[in-house]
Order: sequence, then C-alpha cells, then structure tokens
Amino acid sequence: KQEVTQIPAALSVPEGENLVLNCSFTDSAIYNLQWFRQDPGKGLTSLLLIQSSQREQTSGRLNASLDKSSGRSTLYIAASQPGDSATYLCAVGRFGNEKLTFGTGTRLTIIP
Amino acid sequence: DTEVTQTPKHLVMGMTNKKSLKCEQHMGHRAMYWYKQKAKKPPELMFVYSYEKLSINESVPSRFSPECPNSSLLNLHLHALQPEDSALYLCASSRQVNTGELFFGEGSRLTVL
Repeated sequence: KQEVTQIPAALSVPEGENLVLNCSFTDSAIYNLQWFRQDPGKGLTSLLLIQSSQREQTSGRLNASLDKSSGRSTLYIAASQPGDSATYLCAVGRFGNEKLTFGTGTRLTIIP
Repeated sequence: DTEVTQTPKHLVMGMTNKKSLKCEQHMGHRAMYWYKQKAKKPPELMFVYSYEKLSINESVPSRFSPECPNSSLLNLHLHALQPEDSALYLCASSRQVNTGELFFGEGSRLTVL
C-alpha cells in the first residue's frame, strides 16, 4: 500500500527566504506526482505535475524535483512571499491504480 | 479554460432533506471525481467516473448517490445525511483517469444539522 508523508506538518519562514517542502512515498512504482496548494476553506490548485520519466518541473518561482529511486519529491519556492502562505499537498499516482494517494500536507506561513 | 465549477459553495441541510451538489467542466476531460475533505486532512476519494461510467466507488454509503449525465457534468445527490457527513466536497477532473493533471473545483461546504 502506497504511503505518502510530508514533513514538517507546519513551517514558518520570513518573507524573502527560499524554502523546500518535502514529500516521501513508499512505493516507487509511480507514474506521476502532483503538487497542489490549498488556501483555507478552498479547493486545491494544481502547481506542478511531474511524470515518472521526468526529474523536475519549473513554473515561475516554483521548482519540483522527483527521485523515484529514493521515493522523494521536493518543492522549492524561491523568494517567498506572504501570498505563498497555504497548505501544500503532494499526490502520487500509481500504475494500475486509478486512485491518487495524497500526502498529509505542509502548512506554510510566510512571515512579512 | 482550466476551470472546474462547483455549486452551491455552501449548503446547510437537515438529516431528512434531499439536496444535490453540482460540478461542471468544459476542458473535454473524460474523468471526473468526487472527494470529501475534513478539516486539516487530505482529500479522500469517494467516486470516479470514466467516460460517464462509474469506475470507482470507495465503499461510500448509499446516502451519497453520484450521477454523470454527460461528459461535462457530475452531480452528487444527498439524502438522509448524518452530521458527521459535514465536510468540504471537492469535484475534480482529468483528461483521462489518472493520466495528466488533476484539476479541482473550489468545493461545496456542506453542513448537516
């Protein structure tokens, strides 16, 4: 059974700092990994999708990497802003399984 | 247009009421999903529709009844709910089941009294 862990559960950093969020998964037989952000009481916004054949994806100040062999993905946020404050979730898709497995999320607070 | 639209945004209902949640997408996606999310928890999958056919039912109680009238619409019919069913209900879609990017709506906040 795939298990997805995000540590830490909460993180506070001063504005302007670069930061890294972590996502670990137990089964390396994945076909993609997706990062989302969720604002309180809102839906999930897709940030980046990495296919299993890819090592990283970039969008603006965000960079996501994938290392299947070690069961890890990281989301790098450059020059953090207060508007980046949200909960960040990773989700892993597995071959032959229609169900995504979500991580428990990291609640990020950017301090002005 | 990468939008999934959900209505209503908020719903309050009694345990004897019948109500429906609606979801719409116009991205040509052929997979649509219902998720349930409780506070401070990740979303939990309820149902998956692939090409308008129910593909997955995650052992959801029959008081939740999904319907996919066409490739753009997904409904969730609610009847005789319990207070513990209060949650954020999220609709999502993807090009096909578990391929490509998953897009979520803003959710419907349901309160059962």
